[in-house]
Amino acid sequence: QKEVEQNSGPLSVPEGAIASLNCTYSDRGSQSFFWYRQYSGKSPELIMFIYSNGDKEDGRFTAQLNKASQYVSLLIRDSQPSDSATYLCASMPAGTYKYIFGTGTRLKVLA
Amino acid sequence: EAQVTQNPRYLITVTGKKLTVTCSQNMNHEYMSWYRQDPGLGLRQIYYSMNVEVTDKGDVPEGYKVSRKEKRNFPLILESPSPNQTSLYFCASTGGGSPLHFGNGTRLTVT
Repeated sequence: QKEVEQNSGPLSVPEGAIASLNCTYSDRGSQSFFWYRQYSGKSPELIMFIYSNGDKEDGRFTAQLNKASQYVSLLIRDSQPSDSATYLCASMPAGTYKYIFGTGTRLKVLA
Repeated sequence: EAQVTQNPRYLITVTGKKLTVTCSQNMNHEYMSWYRQDPGLGLRQIYYSMNVEVTDKGDVPEGYKVSRKEKRNFPLILESPSPNQTSLYFCASTGGGSPLHFGNGTRLTVT
């Protein structure tokens, strides 16, 4: 069964630090990868997506993809208390819209 | 504004009383999907639709029905709700290479 795995956390980091969130996936056919942020009781909102090996930066966020190791990560620089949320990693195999979600990592940024 | 609209946001009902949760998107997306989210289990796909009149089961379809008579609408039907269907439900859509967009969610309680 195709899976996306994340450590459930909580991952606690002090304000201003770098938070590193990790995700592994089992389907080598996955081509697209997404990070969503979800506040408690709210809908997931897209933070980053990445298709190619390497790094992709957007403001304080950097997504990293290593297809050989089947590994995706999200770095949040200068973490703020408002970043405290659950972060969902998702993969999508080529040619489908079948998103596969991990169960999420809860991040706590301590003021 | 591009959005996915779900209604109602909150619903409390009794076992066996048929209900429908509506979902509508204004982005002309081909793909629409329903998820349920339970603590510790993450987002699980119930049903999805690749286009009008094309629907298919996701990972947890038992006890649910859907229809796709128009491209913009994808209602979720529970013909005889049971307490184990108490959950947070999300509708989502995507198409044309855009990431998955989520509705605001429906919190359903079945007593």
